[in-house]
Amino acid sequence: GDSVTQMEGPVTLSEEAFLTINCTYTATGYPSLFWYVQYPGEGLQLLLKATKADDKGSNKGFEATYRKETTSFHLEKGSVQVSDSAVYFCALRRTGTASKLTFGTGTRLQVTL
Amino acid sequence: GAGVSQSPSNKVTEKGKDVELRCDPISGHTALYWYRQSLGQGLEFLIYFQGNSAPDKSGLPSDRFSAERTGGSVSTLTIQRTQQEDSAVYLCASSFSPDRSNEQFFGPGTRLTVL
Repeated sequence: GDSVTQMEGPVTLSEEAFLTINCTYTATGYPSLFWYVQYPGEGLQLLLKATKADDKGSNKGFEATYRKETTSFHLEKGSVQVSDSAVYFCALRRTGTASKLTFGTGTRLQVTL
Repeated sequence: GAGVSQSPSNKVTEKGKDVELRCDPISGHTALYWYRQSLGQGLEFLIYFQGNSAPDKSGLPSDRFSAERTGGSVSTLTIQRTQQEDSAVYLCASSFSPDRSNEQFFGPGTRLTVL
C-alpha cells in the first residue's frame, strides 16, 4: 500500500540556519504530494503542494520539488525563523477515486535564537 | 466562520461509554474526511464521504466506529464502548471535490480522552 517516510525529529536549528526535512514515498501511479504544518495549539494547514513530477511547490520561503526518479519530496528553507517552529507532515494523495491523504509520522522543528 | 468546525473541542469519557463527534465542513464542500492523530500511530485516515455516501471506510479500526453524513453537510463520528486506545485527536477535513488537486481543509480537532 501507499506509505510516506519522513525523517524523525525533533530537529533543532538556530535562527537563519538552512532547513531540510527529508520525505520519500511509495505509491502506485502519480500521486500528488503535500507538506502540511501544525503550529503549536493550531490545526493542520497546507504549506505547499506539487501535483506532477518536477513540479516545485513553494510558500512562505519553503520549497519542495516532486522527484519521481527518487520518489522524494524534501522540504527546504534557506533561513528559518523562530516562528517556523512547528510539526511538519509530508503526505500523498493518490489519483483515482481514493482521495484520502496518507501522512508521514511528522517532524518536529524547534528553532532557537 | 468560513472554516471547518468540530465539536466538542475536548471530550473526556469513561471506558465503555459511547461518544459522538461532530464535524461541520466548509459550505459547498462535497468531500469530507475523518482522520485520527495519536501518539503511537501518527495521522491515520478513517473514512471519506462524497456527499452522503462513504466510498472508502477502510480506515475505521473496528466495528465500534461508525460515521454518517446527512444533507451533504454535517458528519457525526460515533465510537461505541470506548476503549483507552481510542484516546486521540480526531480531525475532520473537507474539500470542494475529491479530485486529487483539491486542497483538504482541516478543522481544529476533537481531543478524546478515555479514562
